[in-house]
Amino acid sequence: GDSVTQMEGPVTLSEEAFLTINCTYTATGYPSLFWYVQYPGEGLQLLLKATKADDKGSNKGFEATYRKETTSFHLEKGSVQVSDSAVYFCALRVGNEKLTFGTGTRLTIIP
Amino acid sequence: DAGVIQSPRHEVTEMGQEVTLRCKPISGHNSLFWYRQTMMRGLELLIYFNNNVPIDDSGMPEDRFSAKMPNASFSTLKIQPSEPRDSAVYFCASSPGRGGVNIQYFGAGTRLSVL
Repeated sequence: GDSVTQMEGPVTLSEEAFLTINCTYTATGYPSLFWYVQYPGEGLQLLLKATKADDKGSNKGFEATYRKETTSFHLEKGSVQVSDSAVYFCALRVGNEKLTFGTGTRLTIIP
Repeated sequence: DAGVIQSPRHEVTEMGQEVTLRCKPISGHNSLFWYRQTMMRGLELLIYFNNNVPIDDSGMPEDRFSAKMPNASFSTLKIQPSEPRDSAVYFCASSPGRGGVNIQYFGAGTRLSVL
């Protein structure tokens, strides 16, 4: 079946540090890939997406590139801010079916 | 657009009581999803509807859980009787439909505590 494996947290970084959160996937078909973010006390919201190999999704300084050869979709940001503290979920979707989420990675940024 | 609206935001109840969670999807969206989030199990899909019809309810934990979507603008998730292990945050999400790369939009969630 389809699955998403995420880097285990929690992750704690200082402000302006470089961020990488690893995500790899297994899919029976050709998936679309997503990163969702959940801020404290809120629901998940889409951060970025990519629908085919070599696509790069980007938003709010975050980037992730769809790597079919390594079945990965790692999330990166060059300089994190305190406001980036949240839980990040990697997810995939094959065709029109439901999203399959990873377990989430809690990120805390220290001033 | 007001987004996906869930009510109540918080619910505290005693074991054995019936609990009903409500969701209003974004107008025009054809698909609706119910999720449960816990520290131990993460985010789990319970059930999803397309055009008010349940498509996949394989995530519903047991017969105590039921979900309905009587029309395109309203859905309920009911737990009867509730148990302490049902304590979790329940999210509703909606998306435009089954075609294309449909983004799911989440509500703010209902935090349920069963004592």
